Amino acid sequence: ETGVTQTPRHLVMGMTNKKSLKCEQHLGHNAMYWYKQSAKKPLELMFVYNFKEQTENNSVPSRFSPECPNSSHLFLHLHTLQPEDSALYLCASSQDLRGETQYFGPGTRLLVL
Amino acid sequence: QKEVEQDPGPLSVPEGAIVSLNCTYSNSAFQYFMWYRQYSRKGPELLMYTYSSGNKEDGRFTAQVDKSSKYISLFIRDSQPSDSATYLCAMSERQAGTALIFGKGTTLSVSS
Repeated sequence: ETGVTQTPRHLVMGMTNKKSLKCEQHLGHNAMYWYKQSAKKPLELMFVYNFKEQTENNSVPSRFSPECPNSSHLFLHLHTLQPEDSALYLCASSQDLRGETQYFGPGTRLLVL
Repeated sequence: QKEVEQDPGPLSVPEGAIVSLNCTYSNSAFQYFMWYRQYSRKGPELLMYTYSSGNKEDGRFTAQVDKSSKYISLFIRDSQPSDSATYLCAMSERQAGTALIFGKGTTLSVSS
C-alpha cells in the first residue's frame, strides 16, 4: 500500500451503533488530520495530530473521538451519531505542521440512519 | 460573509478550452493559497501552492493571487477530459499544514 489509506470505504450505521474509521499513512509523515466533507459545503477540519499529540479540535461534538496511537495510524471512533453526520470523512497527512502539502486518503463515505 | 467564496458550478467546457476558476476571500491575513483537485470517489490532491501574491505556473496550470483584491484564480490551458474534477481552493494564515480554510469547490466537466 502506498500513500494514505482509509478503511472502510463505505459505512452504514444506526444512531445507536459504535464504529471506528481507520487511516494509515505510508509516507513517514508526522502530522495527521481528520476532515469532514458534506455535499455543497467546504471541507471542515475536525482534528489535527502532530507527533501523536492532538493540536487542534475544531469544536467537534464528543460523539466523535479521535485516537492516534502512532504517527502512521489515526482512528476516528463514532458513537450515537446523528443523520446530519452523514458525510465523506477524509484523512490527510503532512510531513509536519509546516509542510505545505497535505496528502489525502480516498475517504470513508458514512451514512447514518 | 463566508471566509472563502467559490462558485460551485458546474462548469462545462469543450476540450482545448481555457478554464478560469476563482475564489474570493475576506480575511486579509491569509498568506498561503492552494488549489486541490478532487476526482469522483477520491481524496483531494494538491495541484498548486502559492505564498503571498503573484503567479505560479506548472505545465498547463497557472495559479494567480491578488491579495489587494482578495482574489485567487486557477487557469487551465488546453483543457483535457482528464481535467474533469472538482477543484477546491484553500488558504491559511499561517503554515499551510494547519487550519486550511476551503472553498466549496467548483465542478468542472471537459467534453471531448
